[in-house]
Amino acid sequence: SQTIHQWPATLVQPVGSPLSLECTVEGTSNPNLYWYRQAAGRGLQLLFYSVGIGQISSEVPQNLSASRPQDRQFILSSKKLLLSDSGFYLCAWSRGRVNEKLFFGSGTQLSVL
Amino acid sequence: DAKTTQPTSMDCAEGRAANLPCNHSTISGNEYVYWYRQIHSQGPQYIIHGLKNNETNEMASLIITEDRKSSTLILPHATLRDTAVYYCIVRVGDNYGQNFVFGPGTRLSVLP
Repeated sequence: SQTIHQWPATLVQPVGSPLSLECTVEGTSNPNLYWYRQAAGRGLQLLFYSVGIGQISSEVPQNLSASRPQDRQFILSSKKLLLSDSGFYLCAWSRGRVNEKLFFGSGTQLSVL
Repeated sequence: DAKTTQPTSMDCAEGRAANLPCNHSTISGNEYVYWYRQIHSQGPQYIIHGLKNNETNEMASLIITEDRKSSTLILPHATLRDTAVYYCIVRVGDNYGQNFVFGPGTRLSVLP
């Protein structure tokens, strides 16, 4: 069966510090991978998605970047965090086929202070 | 993708059916209706999806009107663990997930 791992679960970082959140998927190959962010009390905002190694599409220009160094690994990064980067970050995957569902990780609660 | 509108919040008594409505009046013929739910501080969980026929699985039933402009998610016997935010999404059934657009959803509270 397929599983998605996302870590850490919680993170407190000072403004201006770097960020690296990692997500890995097991039990499948060539998944589509996604990073979403959820501000407190809000819906989910798609940040990045990837359909293959080294292929990243950005939905929202901002202080963050994403990379996919391996088929089942997706990394969200920032060189200098802003207060507005605080939120709940979710990694998700889907099979690259028609009408497939999204499967989410457990999320990372990021607080930038 | 078509936009959806859902009530902000709903209450349901434990053991009763929870009926969550969703309006998607501008839905296109090739757009599916998906339902997800999110329990506090967890990732969203897939519930069910459909195109035009009613669907049922072990979690819920999805009723889509004949004109497809609205749908209802039915949890037949709600439990306290069903308290969550429920998202209705319409999207084209292609092989990319970038058009899963999550709105604010409906906050369902199941009351003892």
